[in-house]
Amino acid sequence: EVQLVESGGGLIQPGGSLRLSCAASGFTVSNNYISWVRQAPGKGLEWVSVIYSDGSTYYADSVKGRFTISRDNSKNTLYLQMSSLRAEDTAVYYCARGRSDWVYWGQGTLVIVSS
Amino acid sequence: DIQMTQSPSSLSASLGDRVTITCRASQSISSSLNWYQEKPGKAPKLLIYAASSLQSGVPSRFSGSGSGTDFTLTISSLQPEDFATYYCQQSSSTPYTFGQGTKLEIK
Repeated sequence: EVQLVESGGGLIQPGGSLRLSCAASGFTVSNNYISWVRQAPGKGLEWVSVIYSDGSTYYADSVKGRFTISRDNSKNTLYLQMSSLRAEDTAVYYCARGRSDWVYWGQGTLVIVSS
Repeated sequence: DIQMTQSPSSLSASLGDRVTITCRASQSISSSLNWYQEKPGKAPKLLIYAASSLQSGVPSRFSGSGSGTDFTLTISSLQPEDFATYYCQQSSSTPYTFGQGTKLEIK
């Protein structure tokens, strides 16, 4: 059974850094596209980043240069390193299997950027 | 970036009604269009991919159509569990943008 479990969210001050994790089971992260999608409170969905099976990475302009997507194949886990966080980064962050269409999603982890 | 515009933003309908939600892309995306259903506190659920293909396990009352820039999601006969928010999303090129959502409420 495919499962994705995010962790690492929390309250962080503006300008701070946080690393989100997405532990996968039922499939191999290294052989799949995995994406991060976020949803600010009361707002719509926003694609954040994707990592391809060949290691290529892509980012939304809103996070480019501040966020880094990576994976640890030995742990079958995906990461999103977030730095220079802003209030507008406050959102539930989901990891999802797929490049551009997502059947399997995690439960989400909430990041609150506030002083 | 490709902009996705959904209409209406909200919709009130009754059980058994047929409803249609439209989505327009700012440029042609061929058939690279997906539809999701979202309920409070839950991850989005993929309903339709590639504009008109029904995701496995999704009831056949859901259907999608369109190509190029104009797309529709139709629910043929509303059931209680269908009251939710619906999003279109283009999968043609990064950034993979979503529409602003359509909230479907009970009349």
